[in-house]
Amino acid sequence: AQSVTQLGSHVSVSEGALVLLRCNYSSSVPPYLFWYVQYPNQGLQLLLKYTSAATLVKGINGFEAEFKKSETSFHLTKPSAHMSDAAEYFCAVISPGTASKLTFGTGTRLQVTL
Amino acid sequence: GAGVSQSPSNKVTEKGKDVELRCDPISGHTALYWYRQRLGQGLEFLIYFQGNSAPDKSGLPSDRFSAERTGESVSTLTIQRTQQEDSAVYLCASSLAGSTSTDTQYFGPGTRLTVL
Repeated sequence: AQSVTQLGSHVSVSEGALVLLRCNYSSSVPPYLFWYVQYPNQGLQLLLKYTSAATLVKGINGFEAEFKKSETSFHLTKPSAHMSDAAEYFCAVISPGTASKLTFGTGTRLQVTL
Repeated sequence: GAGVSQSPSNKVTEKGKDVELRCDPISGHTALYWYRQRLGQGLEFLIYFQGNSAPDKSGLPSDRFSAERTGESVSTLTIQRTQQEDSAVYLCASSLAGSTSTDTQYFGPGTRLTVL
């Protein structure tokens, strides 16, 4: 069964610093990959998704992620953190050819400090 | 336009009671999903509807859990004889298609269930 691993349940960065949230997947077939964000007291919102087109995917709010098949990774980055980026981030996968149920990682809580 | 809505937003119940959670998907979305988010854990898939049929129920944790959907509209998740381990946030999502599609799933705000 496919799975997703997010390294680091909590990440803290200074405002203006690089944000790097890690996601690795385990699947024999390259899956479709997603990053969702959950702001405090809000529902999940899609940041970006990879569906086998360009390997570098740009999302909302200045985030991007790069699909690296050789590393089975889909890390999320943002060049400069803003206080409003503080939230919980979830990586998720769908296996091609299956019903579109998302398999989620356990999430990474991003803290942004002054 | 309106997003996915869920009711109630919070539900506190006593162990052994039945609960019903409601999801109103985005109008026109044929696919509907239920997920569960327990404290400190990721989201777990429960069930997927395509229209009013459920081709994938593999995530339902026990026969105490059931769900139904009326046409391409409202869905209800029912938990019978609730247990404390059922305490979680129950999230509903909908998408235009489903099946093998990668259409974006739009999530509702969730129902926080607490079983005392």
